[in-house]
Amino acid sequence: SQQGEEDPQALSIQEGENATMNCSYKTSINNLQWYRQNSGRGLVHLILIRSNEREKHSGRLRVTLDTSKKSSSLLITASRAADTASYFCATVDVSGYSTLTFGKGTMLLVSP
Amino acid sequence: DTEVTQTPKHLVMGMTNKKSLKCEQHMGHRAMYWYKQKAKKPPELMFVYSYEKLSINESVPSRFSPECPNSSLLNLHLHALQPEDSALYLCASSPPGAGADTQYFGPGTRLTVL
Repeated sequence: SQQGEEDPQALSIQEGENATMNCSYKTSINNLQWYRQNSGRGLVHLILIRSNEREKHSGRLRVTLDTSKKSSSLLITASRAADTASYFCATVDVSGYSTLTFGKGTMLLVSP
Repeated sequence: DTEVTQTPKHLVMGMTNKKSLKCEQHMGHRAMYWYKQKAKKPPELMFVYSYEKLSINESVPSRFSPECPNSSLLNLHLHALQPEDSALYLCASSPPGAGADTQYFGPGTRLTVL
């Protein structure tokens, strides 16, 4: 079952601008992950943040996690046309099973 | 080898056909997953295999039958499907060990049921 809600559902920006996507979830989590999916293709893992972490960086990506608000954000800086894709947050809850529950996703369009 | 492969890339089948989807990884991962993804929706978990044993079945109809012949291979056997089963079917795997939660996805099989 879906747990997360992403916001916005769609985002259109120009190359060079920053893109921010938000994700909210409902249960207690072990970690939260962000994945990217190019149209009709498989998902690519971008970054994982654990429940005891508040911020994580990887290249042009910055992820924050606020467990008190049950929310996370993904910031892509200096976006490129190649960043055009759908972005999903996914949570692993504390039940002990390492299964992912995906949010609804944000479709990002970066125009040259 | 750091990828998950899936065959075929595309599959068109009638409602009376029997077909199989195949997924392979050679990364030594011991957990493998099948997901179903409809257009503009997130992936939905169908099955989880852990050390070649089925550990989770998310109430998937019996017309979908998973099989894990060995630690590198995962199949999904399809029989008497419905048009609403048309979707992208994604396979994923993850490493063994506590905290190994990152999943590696294959490119998917685009299934159309006529």
